[in-house]
Amino acid sequence: TQLLEQSPQFLSIQEGENLTVYCNSSSVFSSLQWYRQEPGEGPVLLVTVVTGGEVKKLKRLTFQFGDARKDSSLHITAAQPGDTGLYLCAGAPFGNEKLTFGTGTRLTIIP
Amino acid sequence: GAGVSQSPSNKVTEKGKDVELRCDPISGHTALYWYRQSLGQGLEFLIYFQGNSAPDKSGLPSDRFSAERTGGSVSTLTIQRTQQEDSAVYLCASSLAAGYNSPLHFGNGTRLTVT
Repeated sequence: TQLLEQSPQFLSIQEGENLTVYCNSSSVFSSLQWYRQEPGEGPVLLVTVVTGGEVKKLKRLTFQFGDARKDSSLHITAAQPGDTGLYLCAGAPFGNEKLTFGTGTRLTIIP
Repeated sequence: GAGVSQSPSNKVTEKGKDVELRCDPISGHTALYWYRQSLGQGLEFLIYFQGNSAPDKSGLPSDRFSAERTGGSVSTLTIQRTQQEDSAVYLCASSLAAGYNSPLHFGNGTRLTVT
């Protein structure tokens, strides 16, 4: 059973467009993390959200943690080719130190 | 180096052979994790260590898989009698402490191909 489902699985858009990717679960998480992975490398942490309803912004990236702590979204404004990569959400259920990763969204930005 | 180091970066082995994958975590990081990733998809949890102890081995796919960590530092993941379905990228990560608020720092992985 996959605890964290991400959508869409694949997304290809033109440079300059906006996009949103989603991370959903039926479980409640103490926190959610978002990572980006490029080919041949390990994932790199982008952000951690810990409070229900929390919104964090990193330049053109906006991350939101759902009020019920079961879902999260990543919104990218004016996408750039450098945003291309595999985006992974990861969550830790309460009382469990094992970080569970989502299914991933492969994003391609076309120049 | 300052990051997590994994070796070898690539390993090709014949079905039935044993392989050992090594992970050198960031100095001072007490928690160490092993994940498996197939074809650029999501990460599958295998095992994590807090110090030299493995509180959670629930992700190991079968008894052919084992891992150890010595001196609170280097970890080795061993796969015995490899099968073709073991082919994947094996990722190691370390963090300051186990727990949901400690970000994971990943190595670049070992790409294992079983022929």
